[in-house]
Amino acid sequence: ELKVEQNPLFLSMQEGKNYTIYCNYSTTSDRLYWYRQDPGKSLESLFVLLSNGAVKQEGRLMASLDTKARLSTLHITAAVHDLSATYFCAVGLYSGAGSYQLTFGKGTKLSVIP
Amino acid sequence: SQTIHQWPATLVQPVGSPLSLECTVEGTSNPNLYWYRQAAGRGLQLLFYSVGIGQISSEVPQNLSASRPQDRQFILSSKKLLLSDSGFYLCAWSVASGRWTDTQYFGPGTRLTVL
Repeated sequence: ELKVEQNPLFLSMQEGKNYTIYCNYSTTSDRLYWYRQDPGKSLESLFVLLSNGAVKQEGRLMASLDTKARLSTLHITAAVHDLSATYFCAVGLYSGAGSYQLTFGKGTKLSVIP
Repeated sequence: SQTIHQWPATLVQPVGSPLSLECTVEGTSNPNLYWYRQAAGRGLQLLFYSVGIGQISSEVPQNLSASRPQDRQFILSSKKLLLSDSGFYLCAWSVASGRWTDTQYFGPGTRLTVL
């Protein structure tokens, strides 16, 4: 059974600070996704990482993937209040029937304090 | 561009009543479709997925069922709701192109409260 663990689950940080969210998974996979969820809202796709060493950046967020360590990180640079949300990582496994199944971590609830 | 719709947005139902949630996708053909549930304070749990009309795979045995009567329509149903069925139900779609499926894009969700 694939297990996806995120840490921390809760993160309170001051504006302007840097921090990293970690996502560990238990089974070999060739793709990892990061999503953002605002309170009461649906999930918004942030990044798709498809290979070992992949790095993607969008604004103050940067995601990386180490498939050998089965680890992905989401790094936040100079946090601003607008980044407050819950961030999920999800590991994709091919179902063998033309579909990838995603297993999600429990999410990291980020609160950026002015 | 592609758009995914879900309705209703909010639903309050008594225990033992039936359920029907609908999801439709516009702007794409033959998508993969997914139903997820997010219970309060928890992550997302995959309930069902479909790679084509009439093709449904179930991930979790429970009192829910899914159907795909049309290419871009996915329905989640129950004959008798339980209290534990409360949660935020999300439909998602992805491009189906053999092995190399793309990102899953989520609909706005239906918040279900069973009393």
